[in-house]
Amino acid sequence: EAGVTQSPTHLIKTRGQQATLRCSPISGHTSVYWYQQALGLGLQFLLWYDEGEERNRGNFPPRFSGRQFPNYSSELNVNALELEDSALYLCASSLRTGDRAYGYTFGSGTRLTVV
Amino acid sequence: SQKIEQNSEALNIQEGKTATLTCNYTNYSPAYLQWYRQDPGRGPVFLLLIRENEKEKRKERLKVTFDTTLKQSLFHITASQPADSATYLCALDMRTGNQFYFGTGTSLTVIP
Repeated sequence: EAGVTQSPTHLIKTRGQQATLRCSPISGHTSVYWYQQALGLGLQFLLWYDEGEERNRGNFPPRFSGRQFPNYSSELNVNALELEDSALYLCASSLRTGDRAYGYTFGSGTRLTVV
Repeated sequence: SQKIEQNSEALNIQEGKTATLTCNYTNYSPAYLQWYRQDPGRGPVFLLLIRENEKEKRKERLKVTFDTTLKQSLFHITASQPADSATYLCALDMRTGNQFYFGTGTSLTVIP
């Protein structure tokens, strides 16, 4: 069974540009979560999507947005990039009503560097 | 303010010894507490979950304790091996909102 896949692996953008990150969840998982992991900081919750809807949002500005497609894959968009947006962006998936005993399954992340 | 604190220093231990990692939190009331392992450049991998009404959970060489009065979880790796070297993260699950709150992690190095 394929795990959570993220693309691209690395992304270099200039300040002010837009970045688009993609995530494919495990087959059968309907929930997708996005986290930001900046150097030296813990994972910070960004967004939760389920069944195509945004269900919860972390404490990030509106220039962080995303969507979930009918096949449950997801896209994270970051507009007007700032240097401090440089981080590892992690996507995770789970069953909507899944037993929490299995935790989340994370992808390997997209390393975004803003120069 | 809300805080989740893990061992501030990296942890180095000798192979075969027991590694003990701590996770302390303030101003949270988690329903569950999870532990993850993260290797450099990779996403976290789920290890164990413990519920608020459980005191201890074991899985092979891993043991987790959860004290909701002290607001602390301890994570033990017995008979440690160099392959256990990684960063270990604790995550608090509030039950609602499907939002986890992660600590910054503890870097563990097991010396052969």
